[in-house]
Amino acid sequence: KAGVTQTPRYLIKTRGQQVTLSCSPISGHRSVSWYQQTPGQGLQFLFEYFSETQRNKGNFPGRFSGRQFSNSRSEMNVSTLELGDSALYLCASSLDSGGSYNEQFFGPGTRLTVL
Amino acid sequence: SQKIEQNSEALNIQEGKTATLTCNYTNYSPAYLQWYRQDPGRGPVFLLLIRENEKEKRKERLKVTFDTTLKQSLFHITASQPADSATYLCALHDYKLSFGAGTTVTVRA
Repeated sequence: KAGVTQTPRYLIKTRGQQVTLSCSPISGHRSVSWYQQTPGQGLQFLFEYFSETQRNKGNFPGRFSGRQFSNSRSEMNVSTLELGDSALYLCASSLDSGGSYNEQFFGPGTRLTVL
Repeated sequence: SQKIEQNSEALNIQEGKTATLTCNYTNYSPAYLQWYRQDPGRGPVFLLLIRENEKEKRKERLKVTFDTTLKQSLFHITASQPADSATYLCALHDYKLSFGAGTTVTVRA
């Protein structure tokens, strides 16, 4: 079974630009969560999608948004990029909603650098 | 405010010894707790899940305990090997998974 895939793996943008990251979950997984990982803040929850609906959201500004398609693939978008958005963005899929008691399967991440 | 604290940022141990990692939390009432391993440049990998009504869980050389009174979980790696060198993250579930900052374990041969 193929794992979670994320594209692109690396991205360099400048302040003010916007970016879209993509995540393909494991086949059969309906829940996709996004996390931001930085050395200072660690792993922080961005949002979770289940069956094309945002089920939960973390404490991030409205510049961070996402969506999920009918095939469970998900995208996240960051508009008006700031230097502080430089991070590893991780996508995780699981069988059920909210991570519940199901393990999360993480992708390799997208390393975003904002200059 | 809610906090998840992992005992130390780094732990260096000799091969063959037992590594013990601590995860303490405040202002959470998790129904369960998970432990993940993360290698540099890669996403976390699930290791173990323990529910609030379980005191202990084992998987091969790994053992996890969960004390809801102390609000603490202990993660043990027995007979440690250099391949166990990684960052270990604990995670609690309320409406989302909240992660601790992690403890980086280095096992010396």
